Amino acid sequence: SAVISQKPSRDICQRGTSLTIQCQVDSQVTMMFWYRQQPGQSLTLIATANQGSEATYESGFVIDKFPISRPNLTFSTLTVSNMSPEDSSIYLCSVQPGGVNTEAFFGQGTRLTVV
Amino acid sequence: RKEVEQDPGPFNVPEGATVAFNCTYSNSASQSFFWYRQDCRKEPKLLMSVYSSGNEDGRFTAQLNRASQYISLLIRDSKLSDSATYLCVVNTNAGKSTFGDGTTLTVKP
Repeated sequence: SAVISQKPSRDICQRGTSLTIQCQVDSQVTMMFWYRQQPGQSLTLIATANQGSEATYESGFVIDKFPISRPNLTFSTLTVSNMSPEDSSIYLCSVQPGGVNTEAFFGQGTRLTVV
Repeated sequence: RKEVEQDPGPFNVPEGATVAFNCTYSNSASQSFFWYRQDCRKEPKLLMSVYSSGNEDGRFTAQLNRASQYISLLIRDSKLSDSATYLCVVNTNAGKSTFGDGTTLTVKP
């Protein structure tokens, strides 16, 4: 299993600003995943964060908008840059400590509102 | 067409009812399958994995039909505490997880 501490849990931000979300895992994991969950919808994968290399972004998501850091095997950050109201969403980090195709564990989520 | 499609719901059932959720996936190379539960304003948590032979965990039964690319979840003797959104999740062999939109269940007294 894995325990993830994600912060902040929520924030209200002005448009045009940036917010950095942090996830700390209680064990070393190869990959960390960042998801977005818009109101009333399911999770959409933004990117996969790998330690020691660039993150891999999914279609529709770009590094300039969602820069990711992965300085070590237990920590990652996702920045939502130049925010607009359309970025209002819940952002979640996730890990699969058992390896690919095993149970995923999630952080508690960051509820972002852009005004 | 979405990669993972679920019953739109919502499902509103009385306590004690049996309810079934369906899910279809489009990627025939998908390797592993899961049902997650997400309570309101909480993160998703694994309910159960889905195996080719079908598997049961108490009141919950999951089934997989690879030929039809179809997954199901059956909940028997529904409890009030079963009220949540149920997410169908499909993984490719690269480990990428694709989530369905979720089916909301409300169990009423």
